[in-house]
Amino acid sequence: DVKVTQSSRYLVKRTGEKVFLECVQDMDHENMFWYRQDPGLGLRLIYFSYDVKMKEKGDIPEGYSVSREKKERFSLILESASTNQTSMYLCASSSGTGGWSNQPQHFGDGTRLSIL
Amino acid sequence: AQSVTQPDIHITVSEGASLELRCNYSYGATPYLFWYVQSPGQGLQLLLKYFSGDTLVQGIKGFEAEFKRSQSSFNLRKPSVHWSDAAEYFCAVGVTGGGNKLTFGTGTQLKVEL
Repeated sequence: DVKVTQSSRYLVKRTGEKVFLECVQDMDHENMFWYRQDPGLGLRLIYFSYDVKMKEKGDIPEGYSVSREKKERFSLILESASTNQTSMYLCASSSGTGGWSNQPQHFGDGTRLSIL
Repeated sequence: AQSVTQPDIHITVSEGASLELRCNYSYGATPYLFWYVQSPGQGLQLLLKYFSGDTLVQGIKGFEAEFKRSQSSFNLRKPSVHWSDAAEYFCAVGVTGGGNKLTFGTGTQLKVEL
């Protein structure tokens, strides 16, 4: 089975801090994704990556950046955390190359981030 | 751009009753369609997927879904609901050349009464 592991289940940070959320997958997947999930809004795509060192903006990239230095690891960075970034963050991965894959995404258990 | 609508925010059914969760999508061609389930405090688990071929697809946990092109729908069904099915359900659509990105609906919260 595909395993997508997010480093923290719960995280509490302060306004203005730089926050790192880590995600690791063990299935050699090419594609990785970061979403945030808010009640009534479903999942919204923040950033995604098709390959090492490649990244593309999703629907809500403002206030976030990402890093993918190794194929199995995809990091989400909140450059200066704000209270409106309090949310559930979900990482996902999928197989397929060239950005044309129709393979399903596999999700981690999420990180519930609170910004005080 | 594609979009997904799940018109029911909350649904309550009795254990043993049948279930149908609605999903409508907007896209000009045949999309890739998925249903995911999320138990409290967990990530999303894939229930089933439709890419092409037979319009009735079977998934895990006794779920099935039917793709109806004429209605732009992909409704999820289960003949007899178990208490453990209580969770949030998400429909998602991907498109050809869309780079494996998915667009998710806002979810339907299922409550099961014993």
